[in-house]
Amino acid sequence: GAVVSQHPSWVICKSGTSVKIECRSLDFQATTMFWYRQFPKQSLMLMATSNEGSKATYEQGVEKDKFLINHASLTLSTLTVTSAHPEDSSFYICSERRGVETQYFGPGTRLLVL
Amino acid sequence: KQEVTQIPAALSVPEGENLVLNCSFTDSAIYNLQWFRQDPGKGLTSLLLIQSSQREQTSGRLNASLDKSSGRSTLYIAASQPGDSATYLCAVQNFGNEKLTFGTGTRLTIIP
Repeated sequence: GAVVSQHPSWVICKSGTSVKIECRSLDFQATTMFWYRQFPKQSLMLMATSNEGSKATYEQGVEKDKFLINHASLTLSTLTVTSAHPEDSSFYICSERRGVETQYFGPGTRLLVL
Repeated sequence: KQEVTQIPAALSVPEGENLVLNCSFTDSAIYNLQWFRQDPGKGLTSLLLIQSSQREQTSGRLNASLDKSSGRSTLYIAASQPGDSATYLCAVQNFGNEKLTFGTGTRLTIIP
């Protein structure tokens, strides 16, 4: 069964609003989670590494003030897209790291900004 | 900077045929390579993981090979079934880096 959940599975919002996406580890205390973004017909691009109890590490070109990541507990990381614009419309996927080489991925959240 | 490419971008084959998906990467200093399956609008499911010291891994009808020196991996699917229809992604992990670099994916359609 699923080991990582995401909520919501899809969301439609107006331009300028903020959207929060939750990534929850169901059976593991994940100190590290990853957030990816996937545009249509493109591959997954790592946005940031979320570390429990500390600041997230963002990839080059990802605005940390626009994509706020909070990893306040070992089972929950949240991604908030602030002041969303149509170009932020994408498929956002989180994963949890278990060991050096294993990641379990969530089912993804589809965001559409009108 | 590691770059991962997958060819073809899309592939349609009749049910029952064997097929090969290709993945190439630019930096051969990899720790491992993984093949994932992604169904439309869904997350990823890991299919096979090959360590840098290995040349292939098998799981059921799937066989993945790795030629690190040439920067290539292939995923062989035997006796394809309609349920195999999905997008297949390869991803590499470099030494000293927990991040995964994903390829662009191959969208596979098996025709009944």
